[in-house]
This record gives sequence, C-alpha cells and structure tokens, in this order.
Amino acid sequence: NAGVTQTPKFRVLKTGQSMTLLCAQDMNHEYMYWYRQDPGMGLRLIHYSVGEGTTAKGEVPDGYNVSRLKKQNFLLGLESAAPSQTSVYFCASSYWSKKRGTEAFFGQGTRLTVV
Amino acid sequence: AQKVTQAQTEISVVEKEDVTLDCVYETRDTTYYLFWYKQPPSGELVFLIRRNSFDEQNEISGRYSWNFQKSTSSFNFTITASQVVDSAVYFCALRPSGNTPLVFGKGTRLSVIA
Repeated sequence: NAGVTQTPKFRVLKTGQSMTLLCAQDMNHEYMYWYRQDPGMGLRLIHYSVGEGTTAKGEVPDGYNVSRLKKQNFLLGLESAAPSQTSVYFCASSYWSKKRGTEAFFGQGTRLTVV
Repeated sequence: AQKVTQAQTEISVVEKEDVTLDCVYETRDTTYYLFWYKQPPSGELVFLIRRNSFDEQNEISGRYSWNFQKSTSSFNFTITASQVVDSAVYFCALRPSGNTPLVFGKGTRLSVIA
C-alpha cells in the first residue's frame, strides 16, 4: 500500500511563480486535508475536502486554492507564490467513524522554498 | 472553539529518564477524539494513539503510556526509560465530532541525550 503520496517532495519557486502540489491516496478515504508546518506553529489547516467535488477553507487559506475532482486526488495550488509561503506542506486523508473518530494518515511532506 | 495547547515547547532528558508530555484541549463537543503523533528528524508524521472521549481508560503500550482525564481536559503522554530514538517532535491533536479536520497543538520537541 502506498498510502498517501505527495508530489513533489522538494521545490524552489521564485516570487510570483505558480505551482500545484499533488496529493494521492489509495485508501478510498472520503476526507482529505492540506496542512502547512512552520517552526513553532505546529500544523495549520489550509483547506480540506469531505468528498469528491467538495472543498472548504481551513485556518490559513489565503493565497491557496484546491480542487478535488477525483476522490483519490487533492490538489493544492499557489497562483502567485510569496516568501511567506515557504513551508513544509503535508497532505493527509482519513475516513470517518463515530465510534473510532479515526486518525489522519499523512504523506511524506513537500518542502517548498519561495525566493 | 477547538484548541489544543502543548505548553512545553522543548524538553531535554538524559537517556533512561521518564518524561511526560502535556496536552490540554478545549472543545464544547461532548463527543470528540484525541490523538498523538510523532515526527522524527526524518520529517514524517507517525500516528501513535487515538482516544475517544467516551472511553477514559488509560493505555500502556510498551514504554509508552497515555493518561486521559476529562475532568482536567488533558491527554498526557509518558515515555518510560527514554531512549535516544525517542527524540522527535510530538504533536497532540483533537478531532471534534463529525467530519471535521484534526486540530493540532504546536508540538513538543523532545531531545533524549545519551
């Protein structure tokens, strides 16, 4: 099982450039998330999706867009990258069970540097 | 509002010492779920444990133990006889009821010195 796979793992962008981060999961999970991790800030939610074709804003959505055209994929886009978006990005997926709650399964992360 | 507080930013212990990582959470939901994750220096996030709000039974797994107390809204994590391989950042997280995302604390960096 591949679990959650993020592409790419590293990227350097110039200010103003655009890019898309791809997240793919093979666990048939309904829910997918994008978090960013910055030193001393923990993981902060950018956007999430509760199913194919749906997206919602998280805690820090500005400057990002997302799409969930297929259940297994969740794309994070940066239209015009800024140095403040230098971070490590994590994608995660989960299913929902009232009894278990269920944990999120994380990808390996993407280290993005905007210069 | 949902919130997770990990007051300890960094902890340093000598190998074989016991160490407790604190986690305090806030939620108005009567049903919720708590988690601990480990992030070793390699960077991946490793799931350690899940606890439901309606199950206050504490848990022990090898050198790891978790103390869940609803009365104080705490879900503390203890490592007994710490080892260098335990060095990592540990995150506590809360998932309120329903199909809502996990809310993370800011993490505690644990350094175990040989």
